[in-house]
Amino acid sequence: ETGVTQTPRHLVMGMTNKKSLKCEQHLGHNAMYWYKQSAKKPLELMFVYNFKEQTENNSVPSRFSPECPNSSHLFLHLHTLQPEDSALYLCASNSKDRATYGYTFGSGTRLTVV
Amino acid sequence: AQKITQTQPGMFVQEKEAVTLDCTYDTSDQSYGLFWYKQPSSGEMIFLIYQGSYDEQNATEGRYSLNFQKARKSANLVISASQLGDSAMYFCAMISRAGGTSYGKLTFGQGTILTVHP
Repeated sequence: ETGVTQTPRHLVMGMTNKKSLKCEQHLGHNAMYWYKQSAKKPLELMFVYNFKEQTENNSVPSRFSPECPNSSHLFLHLHTLQPEDSALYLCASNSKDRATYGYTFGSGTRLTVV
Repeated sequence: AQKITQTQPGMFVQEKEAVTLDCTYDTSDQSYGLFWYKQPSSGEMIFLIYQGSYDEQNATEGRYSLNFQKARKSANLVISASQLGDSAMYFCAMISRAGGTSYGKLTFGQGTILTVHP
């Protein structure tokens, strides 16, 4: 366990389904992130939340809808996805504490859209 | 805009030998941070080492060291005494520290797959 927990680990969904990815951290971090990792592409930042406020939306399609109810939880709501949305979705968190200067990532949710 | 380039799609190394994974970066910021992450087949991204742009000494963490050459804009990862468990994908990443912030966008390279042979 890295300190950032993502559920589910694996998800298969149809293009008409609605599902949600969950990310949880109890590291006291104030910023949380969603990244998308597709095959043979660098990780792409999707959303940034800083103290529960969204500070960046990296031109993500509206079929991805993030929610951050508090500094410890982050959700990614999915609806009417496309097969090209199949990827590993990684959640990360960090803080200003220099001792933990690196971002802490979760294990990811491997999403397959059929 | 920031850019990270990892030119080695795959690298092979014999167990117990050292290996260098290349990383070059491009940024107009004066203050930035460089990271290396390891991603095993299970998917999680494991933080390995960090180098700040104003750090005068190269970062070291156990068997990992970062060969930071600022003028060349390179931040190569050196793994000494390779182990079978080091086989994984390795990512170089950077973040702007402009304004002293620790938040913001991590820009990643394409990654290098390292295979350690027994």
